[in-house]
Amino acid sequence: DGGITQSPKYLFRKEGQNVTLSCEQNLNHDAMYWYRQDPGQGLRLIYYSQIVNDFQKGDIAEGYSVSREKKESFPLTVTSAQKNPTAFYLCASRVDIRLHQPQHFGDGTRLSIL
Amino acid sequence: EDQVTQSPEALRLQEGESSSLNCSYTVSGLRGLFWYRQDPGKGPEFLFTLYSAGEEKEKERLKATLTKKESFLHITAPKPEDSATYLCAVWAGGYSTLTFGKGTMLLVSP
Repeated sequence: DGGITQSPKYLFRKEGQNVTLSCEQNLNHDAMYWYRQDPGQGLRLIYYSQIVNDFQKGDIAEGYSVSREKKESFPLTVTSAQKNPTAFYLCASRVDIRLHQPQHFGDGTRLSIL
Repeated sequence: EDQVTQSPEALRLQEGESSSLNCSYTVSGLRGLFWYRQDPGKGPEFLFTLYSAGEEKEKERLKATLTKKESFLHITAPKPEDSATYLCAVWAGGYSTLTFGKGTMLLVSP
């Protein structure tokens, strides 16, 4: 079955540590997205990528970094500069950023601070 | 700036008690409005896309409608398994990204 796989499901970060969240899709979608979800805040866009080797900052990119070296993979690194990283992180993909098809989501990674 | 406001924030229904969730939006040139369902600890699951005022979509006990200012998600005779958070998002087309509302948390009691 085609879909989006996020790993790990739970992740713990120590102070001063960078951690990387994995997102893999086998839907052959060009566009991929990372969102952060906090209670009562809704989904906030961190980074998105329209195509391989290209990505843009979203609304809350500070303290995060991404890469898009392969079409199916869009890893997110939460750096030590992100002072409040505890949240639920969601990865999504879409056929093409310009088309009206909906985004599809993975099942998320919950990041907590040790 | 595109904005989406969902109401109520939370809704508690008895099984079989029909109701509606609201999604009000301001966007310059709506090209699509999306409804998602999200279960606790899971990613959002796509339900409907609406494109123009007057459009309606149905799936089981759910029916989504769209006007020029808002969308409604009508839930007819809900069951406990309909309990979830329902998210609404708008898209202005082109290279723009989706703008999400904060969601409505629905709890259906048996």
